[in-house]
Amino acid sequence: KQEVTQIPAALSVPEGENLVLNCSFTDSAIYNLQWFRQDPGKGLTSLLLIQSSQREQTSGRLNASLDKSSGRSTLYIAASQPGDSATYLCAAMDSSYKLIFGSGTRLLVRP
Amino acid sequence: ETGVTQSPTHLIKTRGQQVTLRCSSQSGHNTVSWYQQALGQGPQFIFQYYREEENGRGNFPPRFSGLQFPNYSSELNVNALELDDSALYLCASSLEVGGLNTEAFFGQGTRLTVV
Repeated sequence: KQEVTQIPAALSVPEGENLVLNCSFTDSAIYNLQWFRQDPGKGLTSLLLIQSSQREQTSGRLNASLDKSSGRSTLYIAASQPGDSATYLCAAMDSSYKLIFGSGTRLLVRP
Repeated sequence: ETGVTQSPTHLIKTRGQQVTLRCSSQSGHNTVSWYQQALGQGPQFIFQYYREEENGRGNFPPRFSGLQFPNYSSELNVNALELDDSALYLCASSLEVGGLNTEAFFGQGTRLTVV
């Protein structure tokens, strides 16, 4: 049974800092891995999707990596801004095409 | 191109009642999935519909049921509501099941409160 874990659960950083959010999964037989952002009480916004055959994806200040053999993915945010404050969720898609989510990392970027 | 839309945005129901939540998938998407998100938790998979057929179900009781219509919009029905059903219900659509077009796009969610 796939389990997804995100560390840390919460993170507070000063504006401008580069940061890394971690995601681990127990079953390496994933179809893809997706990172989402969620603002309080809102839906999920897709940030990056990494196919199982890929190692990384980049979008603007965001870079996500995937290492299936170790069961890890990281989301790197460069030059953080207060507007980046949100909960970040990673989700592994299993072979039946359902997403298994971690509990998220709550990020606060202080001005 | 319109995104995923859900209705209503908020709902308050009494224990034992029934509720129907609605989702319009993104244009061209034939796959819809429903998730339940309790406060402070990650979303949990309820079920998925592909071209009007159920295509997988999570660990939820039969009182959670769904439909997908020919235009690929979808409904989630919950009977005999319990207090623990209070959560944010999220709908996601994707272009297809399998292949390279499985990126999930989520709606804004329906906040259900059971009292």
